[in-house]
Amino acid sequence: RKEVEQDPGPFNVPEGATVAFNCTYSNSASQSFFWYRQDCRKEPKLLMSVYSSGNEDGRFTAQLNRASQYISLLIRDSKLSDSATYLCVVSWNAGKSTFGDGTTLTVKP
Amino acid sequence: GAVVSQHPSWVICKSGTSVKIECRSLDFQATTMFWYRQFPKQSLMLMATSNEGSKATYEQGVEKDKFLINHASLTLSTLTVTSAHPEDSSFYICSARDIRGDSSYNEQFFGPGTRLTVL
Repeated sequence: RKEVEQDPGPFNVPEGATVAFNCTYSNSASQSFFWYRQDCRKEPKLLMSVYSSGNEDGRFTAQLNRASQYISLLIRDSKLSDSATYLCVVSWNAGKSTFGDGTTLTVKP
Repeated sequence: GAVVSQHPSWVICKSGTSVKIECRSLDFQATTMFWYRQFPKQSLMLMATSNEGSKATYEQGVEKDKFLINHASLTLSTLTVTSAHPEDSSFYICSARDIRGDSSYNEQFFGPGTRLTVL
Protein backbone atom coordinates (compact mmCIF):
# COMPACT_ATOMS: atom_id res chain seq x y z
CA ARG A 1 0.00 0.00 0.00
CA LYS A 2 1.31 3.47 -0.87
CA GLU A 3 1.99 5.90 1.95
CA VAL A 4 -0.14 8.55 0.29
CA GLU A 5 -2.96 7.62 -2.05
CA GLN A 6 -5.02 9.93 -4.19
CA ASP A 7 -7.99 9.59 -6.48
CA PRO A 8 -6.51 8.39 -9.76
CA GLY A 9 -8.47 10.82 -11.92
CA PRO A 10 -8.37 12.33 -14.42
CA PHE A 11 -11.18 14.73 -13.68
CA ASN A 12 -12.70 16.51 -16.66
CA VAL A 13 -15.24 19.12 -15.62
CA PRO A 14 -16.96 22.11 -17.21
CA GLU A 15 -16.26 25.63 -16.11
CA GLY A 16 -18.20 26.53 -13.01
CA ALA A 17 -18.36 22.98 -11.70
CA THR A 18 -17.47 21.93 -8.18
CA VAL A 19 -14.90 19.17 -7.91
CA ALA A 20 -13.50 17.30 -4.91
CA PHE A 21 -10.25 15.41 -4.54
CA ASN A 22 -9.54 12.89 -1.82
CA CYS A 23 -6.33 11.65 -0.32
CA THR A 24 -5.52 9.07 2.36
CA TYR A 25 -2.26 8.56 4.21
CA SER A 26 -0.96 5.59 6.14
CA ASN A 27 1.50 7.10 8.63
CA SER A 28 -0.41 8.12 11.74
CA ALA A 29 2.63 10.11 12.92
CA SER A 30 2.26 12.54 10.02
CA GLN A 31 2.46 16.13 11.17
CA SER A 32 1.72 18.46 8.30
CA PHE A 33 -0.49 18.24 5.29
CA PHE A 34 -0.58 20.22 2.10
CA TRP A 35 -2.09 20.46 -1.32
CA TYR A 36 0.31 21.46 -4.07
CA ARG A 37 -0.48 22.31 -7.64
CA GLN A 38 1.82 21.29 -10.47
CA ASP A 39 1.48 22.57 -13.99
CA CYS A 40 2.89 20.56 -16.85
CA ARG A 41 6.71 20.44 -16.78
CA LYS A 42 6.88 22.91 -13.90
CA GLU A 43 7.74 22.62 -10.24
CA PRO A 44 5.02 22.08 -7.62
CA LYS A 45 3.64 25.20 -5.97
CA LEU A 46 1.91 25.29 -2.61
CA LEU A 47 -1.82 25.71 -2.98
CA MET A 48 -2.76 25.52 0.67
CA SER A 49 -1.95 23.89 3.97
CA VAL A 50 -4.51 21.62 5.55
CA TYR A 51 -5.58 21.95 9.16
CA SER A 52 -7.83 19.82 11.34
CA SER A 53 -10.24 22.69 11.68
CA GLY A 54 -10.53 22.95 7.92
CA ASN A 55 -9.46 25.99 5.99
CA GLU A 56 -10.76 27.95 3.06
CA ASP A 57 -9.02 30.20 0.58
CA GLY A 58 -11.40 31.72 -1.90
CA ARG A 59 -12.83 28.94 -4.03
CA PHE A 60 -10.66 26.29 -2.37
CA THR A 61 -11.51 24.42 0.80
CA ALA A 62 -9.28 21.84 2.45
CA GLN A 63 -10.24 19.42 5.18
CA LEU A 64 -8.25 17.04 7.36
CA ASN A 65 -9.62 14.09 9.30
CA ARG A 66 -6.84 12.69 11.45
CA ALA A 67 -8.95 9.85 12.82
CA SER A 68 -9.61 8.55 9.31
CA GLN A 69 -6.23 9.74 7.96
CA TYR A 70 -7.99 11.49 5.16
CA ILE A 71 -7.50 14.82 3.40
CA SER A 72 -9.75 16.51 0.90
CA LEU A 73 -9.68 19.48 -1.44
CA LEU A 74 -12.82 21.09 -2.79
CA ILE A 75 -12.74 23.51 -5.70
CA ARG A 76 -15.85 25.55 -6.34
CA ASP A 77 -16.74 27.45 -9.50
CA SER A 78 -13.91 25.86 -11.48
CA LYS A 79 -11.94 28.08 -13.85
CA LEU A 80 -10.01 27.10 -16.94
CA SER A 81 -6.87 28.17 -15.10
CA ASP A 82 -7.50 25.52 -12.44
CA SER A 83 -6.44 22.84 -14.92
CA ALA A 84 -3.37 21.22 -13.41
CA THR A 85 -2.25 18.23 -11.39
CA TYR A 86 -3.02 18.46 -7.70
CA LEU A 87 -0.61 16.74 -5.33
CA CYS A 88 -1.46 15.65 -1.81
CA VAL A 89 1.61 15.98 0.40
CA VAL A 90 2.16 14.57 3.86
CA SER A 91 5.14 15.61 5.96
CA TRP A 92 6.78 14.38 9.13
CA ASN A 93 10.24 13.88 10.59
CA ALA A 94 11.74 17.34 10.17
CA GLY A 95 10.15 18.16 6.88
CA LYS A 96 10.52 14.89 5.03
CA SER A 97 7.57 14.67 2.69
CA THR A 98 5.75 12.06 0.72
CA PHE A 99 3.82 13.04 -2.37
CA GLY A 100 0.76 11.37 -3.73
CA ASP A 101 0.75 10.45 -7.40
CA GLY A 102 -1.41 13.44 -8.15
CA THR A 103 -4.84 13.94 -9.62
CA THR A 104 -5.15 15.64 -12.96
CA LEU A 105 -7.92 18.17 -13.41
CA THR A 106 -8.98 19.53 -16.77
CA VAL A 107 -11.57 22.30 -16.78
CA LYS A 108 -13.25 22.74 -20.13
CA PRO A 109 -15.16 25.73 -21.51
CA GLY B 1 7.02 33.37 -0.65
CA ALA B 2 10.63 32.28 -0.44
CA VAL B 3 12.56 31.76 -3.66
CA VAL B 4 14.62 28.74 -4.59
CA SER B 5 16.63 28.64 -7.79
CA GLN B 6 18.16 25.75 -9.68
CA HIS B 7 20.87 25.70 -12.27
CA PRO B 8 20.93 24.57 -14.97
CA SER B 9 17.27 24.43 -15.93
CA TRP B 10 17.98 21.78 -18.52
CA VAL B 11 21.00 19.76 -19.58
CA ILE B 12 21.74 17.20 -22.26
CA CYS B 13 24.82 15.07 -21.83
CA LYS B 14 26.47 11.96 -23.16
CA SER B 15 26.29 8.69 -21.32
CA GLY B 16 29.15 8.31 -18.85
CA THR B 17 29.58 11.99 -18.04
CA SER B 18 28.84 13.63 -14.71
CA VAL B 19 26.33 16.43 -14.27
CA LYS B 20 26.16 18.89 -11.38
CA ILE B 21 22.90 20.58 -10.42
CA GLU B 22 22.83 23.53 -8.04
CA CYS B 23 20.02 24.47 -5.70
CA ARG B 24 20.06 27.87 -4.02
CA SER B 25 17.77 29.52 -1.52
CA LEU B 26 17.84 33.16 -2.58
CA ASP B 27 16.24 35.06 0.25
CA PHE B 28 16.38 32.72 3.19
CA GLN B 29 18.66 30.22 4.85
CA ALA B 30 18.00 26.51 4.71
CA THR B 31 19.68 23.95 6.95
CA THR B 32 17.78 21.25 5.13
CA MET B 33 17.20 20.82 1.43
CA PHE B 34 15.54 17.93 -0.32
CA TRP B 35 16.24 16.41 -3.70
CA TYR B 36 13.43 14.82 -5.66
CA ARG B 37 13.20 13.06 -8.98
CA GLN B 38 10.12 12.93 -11.16
CA PHE B 39 9.70 10.63 -14.13
CA PRO B 40 7.02 11.40 -16.75
CA LYS B 41 3.47 10.96 -15.49
CA GLN B 42 4.73 10.00 -12.04
CA SER B 43 4.88 11.86 -8.77
CA LEU B 44 7.91 13.30 -7.07
CA MET B 45 10.07 10.73 -5.35
CA LEU B 46 12.34 11.87 -2.56
CA MET B 47 15.94 10.89 -3.30
CA ALA B 48 17.79 12.36 -0.37
CA THR B 49 17.77 14.91 2.40
CA SER B 50 20.65 17.35 2.26
CA ASN B 51 21.85 18.67 5.61
CA GLU B 52 24.12 21.67 5.86
CA GLY B 53 27.50 20.70 7.25
CA SER B 54 26.82 16.98 7.41
CA LYS B 55 26.30 13.98 5.18
CA ALA B 56 23.14 13.64 3.19
CA THR B 57 20.56 11.03 4.10
CA TYR B 58 19.56 8.89 1.14
CA GLU B 59 16.27 7.12 0.60
CA GLN B 60 16.18 3.39 0.13
CA GLY B 61 17.22 2.38 -3.35
CA VAL B 62 19.12 5.60 -4.12
CA GLU B 63 22.83 5.04 -4.64
CA LYS B 64 24.82 7.57 -2.66
CA ASP B 65 27.93 7.03 -4.76
CA LYS B 66 26.01 7.79 -7.91
CA PHE B 67 24.12 10.81 -6.64
CA LEU B 68 26.62 12.91 -4.74
CA ILE B 69 25.15 15.63 -2.56
CA ASN B 70 27.04 18.52 -1.02
CA HIS B 71 25.40 21.11 1.21
CA ALA B 72 28.31 23.40 1.95
CA SER B 73 26.40 26.51 3.01
CA LEU B 74 22.99 27.53 4.29
CA THR B 75 21.97 28.66 0.83
CA LEU B 76 23.48 26.09 -1.52
CA SER B 77 23.14 22.37 -2.09
CA THR B 78 24.50 20.52 -5.11
CA LEU B 79 23.53 17.19 -6.63
CA THR B 80 26.05 15.51 -8.92
CA VAL B 81 24.85 12.66 -11.08
CA THR B 82 27.99 10.66 -11.70
CA SER B 83 28.50 8.53 -14.79
CA ALA B 84 25.02 9.37 -16.02
CA HIS B 85 23.11 6.85 -18.11
CA PRO B 86 19.93 7.21 -20.16
CA GLU B 87 17.85 5.76 -17.32
CA ASP B 88 18.93 8.74 -15.19
CA SER B 89 17.08 11.06 -17.55
CA SER B 90 14.46 12.75 -15.40
CA PHE B 91 13.23 15.97 -13.88
CA TYR B 92 15.25 16.75 -10.75
CA ILE B 93 13.71 19.18 -8.27
CA CYS B 94 15.10 20.52 -5.04
CA SER B 95 13.23 22.07 -2.16
CA ALA B 96 14.25 23.92 0.95
CA ARG B 97 12.83 24.78 4.33
CA ASP B 98 13.35 28.18 5.95
CA ILE B 99 15.21 27.68 9.23
CA ARG B 100 13.09 30.35 10.85
CA GLY B 101 9.98 28.26 10.33
CA ASP B 102 8.17 26.50 13.13
CA SER B 103 9.56 22.97 13.23
CA SER B 104 6.04 21.61 13.21
CA TYR B 105 5.19 23.41 10.01
CA ASN B 106 6.88 21.77 7.09
CA GLU B 107 6.21 23.91 4.04
CA GLN B 108 8.87 23.47 1.45
CA PHE B 109 9.80 25.90 -1.28
CA PHE B 110 10.60 24.25 -4.56
CA GLY B 111 13.14 25.13 -7.18
CA PRO B 112 12.02 25.27 -10.83
CA GLY B 113 13.60 21.91 -11.58
CA THR B 114 16.33 20.67 -13.87
CA ARG B 115 15.47 18.49 -16.82
CA LEU B 116 18.29 16.03 -17.47
CA THR B 117 18.51 14.10 -20.72
CA VAL B 118 21.28 11.55 -21.06
CA LEU B 119 21.96 10.37 -24.59
